[in-house]
Amino acid sequence: AQTVTQSQPEMSVQEAETVTLSCTYDTSESDYYLFWYKQPPSRQMILVIRQEAYKQQNATENRFSVNFQKAAKSFSLKISDSQLGDAAMYFCAYRTSTQGGSEKLVFGKGMKLTVNP
Amino acid sequence: NAGVTQTPKFQVLKTGQSMTLQCAQDMNHEYMSWYRQDPGMGLRLIHYSVGAGITDQGEVPNGYNVSRSTTEDFPLRLLSAAPSQTSVYFCASSLTGSSTDTQYFGPGTRLTVL
Repeated sequence: AQTVTQSQPEMSVQEAETVTLSCTYDTSESDYYLFWYKQPPSRQMILVIRQEAYKQQNATENRFSVNFQKAAKSFSLKISDSQLGDAAMYFCAYRTSTQGGSEKLVFGKGMKLTVNP
Repeated sequence: NAGVTQTPKFQVLKTGQSMTLQCAQDMNHEYMSWYRQDPGMGLRLIHYSVGAGITDQGEVPNGYNVSRSTTEDFPLRLLSAAPSQTSVYFCASSLTGSSTDTQYFGPGTRLTVL
């Protein structure tokens, strides 16, 4: 079974600085998708960025970028120019195939990011 | 579009009571799913549906029932609530079950079972 590990339960960063959130996963599949979700205090799960495993190029969305190392099964999220609104729980997730051919998300335990003014 | 909506936002039950958590989406998504989120843990899949009339079990289905009579609605039923079901419940939907589709999450329902 696939697993997703976020080893750092909490991190903090100064406003305007850069922070990197780490995530590792375990799978025997060669094709899959990886995601970072943000969960602010409102509890809504918001998609931050998505990476396709067959693409070598790292995904980028404005201030958010990933460092995808397929051989190492590592998928870190870099937040540049951190803003107060970035403070939230961040979840790394893996999308796999279930028995019926449909797919589900496998989540890590999450990491709480604090942004200090 | 309202996206994915969930009701209620909060609920307190006594052990043994039953209730239904409602989930609806107005994006004509085929794939819908229910997750629970417990403290210190990521979300875990309870049940999912790939279309009206089709449901299947996820990782933690025991104690929950689902049905999908319409594309829009995917209610989650607790037949006899237990304290172990105290959690935050999220409904999600995507266009299909494909990995290329983004899943959209509802705001969650916080359930406490006493």
